[in-house]
Amino acid sequence: GAVVSQHPSRVICKSGTSVKIECRSLDFQATTMFWYRQFPKQSLMLMATSNEGSKATYEQGVEKDKFLINHASLTLSTLTVTSAHPEDSSFYICSAPLGLDTQYFGPGTRLTVL
Amino acid sequence: AQSVAQPEDQVNVAEGNPLTVKCTYSVSGNPYLFWYVQYPNRGLQFLLKYITGDNLVKGSYGFEAEFNKSQTSFHLKKPSALVSDSALYFCAVNSGNTPLVFGKGTRLSVIA
Repeated sequence: GAVVSQHPSRVICKSGTSVKIECRSLDFQATTMFWYRQFPKQSLMLMATSNEGSKATYEQGVEKDKFLINHASLTLSTLTVTSAHPEDSSFYICSAPLGLDTQYFGPGTRLTVL
Repeated sequence: AQSVAQPEDQVNVAEGNPLTVKCTYSVSGNPYLFWYVQYPNRGLQFLLKYITGDNLVKGSYGFEAEFNKSQTSFHLKKPSALVSDSALYFCAVNSGNTPLVFGKGTRLSVIA
């Protein structure tokens, strides 16, 4: 099946720093990618839709200036958490759709902000 | 608006027994329904999907799910549970190539 990778898998940073998370579709092109956030023992919540060649679409309540999304190419989307704070600590997961109905998920990035 | 309900936070089953993880949905139009499994600190793994066709869908690792339009349900089933099936299971819905809306997840524990 299709493969989506994320890098890094785990990151620990100090409060106030910025962290970049990469999401790559390894064997297919994705004009759209989705970024989700998962708190411990909770479901995945959609943060934003990343669109290649245009601005990302953010869900209500998600700060676009804090969570910067860049869809640089048909195989790469990046999420940058700017001026991270402890409450940003979470599990971030990206997905990329292939075809009309199936999404493939990355393995996730565990962010811990100290 | 689309929504998914997984009424059980936790399901416990003995190894070798059949298991069911429940899911109901609400969506306007025809639903695309999915089941994913998540192991600790891992991403989501696709199990199966219903788009159209037969109401009984067979997926990975021996899992299957039955689409019931009248009950708006898409319960996940397996005839004989394995300890290795213990994980967090998510039901999800969308309308084609749109973001998935997830249920809150059900933790399955299979006891040897």
